[in-house]
Amino acid sequence: DARVTQTPRHKVTEMGQEVTMRCQPILGHNTVFWYRQTMMQGLELLAYFRNRAPLDDSGMPKDRFSAEMPDATLATLKIQPSEPRDSAVYFCASALYNEQFFGPGTRLTVL
Amino acid sequence: AQTVTQSQPEMSVQEAETVTLSCTYDTSESDYYLFWYKQPPSRQMILVIRQEAYKQQNATENRFSVNFQKAAKSFSLKISDSQLGDAAMYFCARNNAGNMLTFGGGTRLMVKP
Repeated sequence: DARVTQTPRHKVTEMGQEVTMRCQPILGHNTVFWYRQTMMQGLELLAYFRNRAPLDDSGMPKDRFSAEMPDATLATLKIQPSEPRDSAVYFCASALYNEQFFGPGTRLTVL
Repeated sequence: AQTVTQSQPEMSVQEAETVTLSCTYDTSESDYYLFWYKQPPSRQMILVIRQEAYKQQNATENRFSVNFQKAAKSFSLKISDSQLGDAAMYFCARNNAGNMLTFGGGTRLMVKP
């Protein structure tokens, strides 16, 4: 049963620390998305890749966030340095056509 | 900004009854997709149903159906024979060029036994 996986599922860290979240898209999917979910802002797109190339990262704070796809089976989202306002659930989703399949999310808490 | 609006923050339905969740959206495109996602307490985003804008026929998936009004930019979700397991947050979404999703603010559905 193909699914998107994300690690870690939960992360608690202190302000100023580096955080790396990982996503394994469904095999064969060529598009990967990163979303963030907060109570205040809801679900918002941070970045997305097609065929491993970044196409849009306008939703990301550029000074502290970075997203990469080192290969077709791994996408990473990094925050350095982390801040309390980054506390949220971060979702990865992958797609081949119009339907996006979501991972279980990483719940990040920055103290 | 092109937006998706869910005007009902919370809805409640009696088990076995029918409930309709509202969604309106804004777009300048003629061809696009609309989606309803369910998010239970586990946080997993589960696709419930999708509608292709160029199709006039309303999509149906078992107890879930939509009322798609393209001219009015309205896309409501009807849940028939509501079950306790239907209790969750429901998000309406529209895709943009490049297939990025824009989500509404969500509707929390409570199902009363």
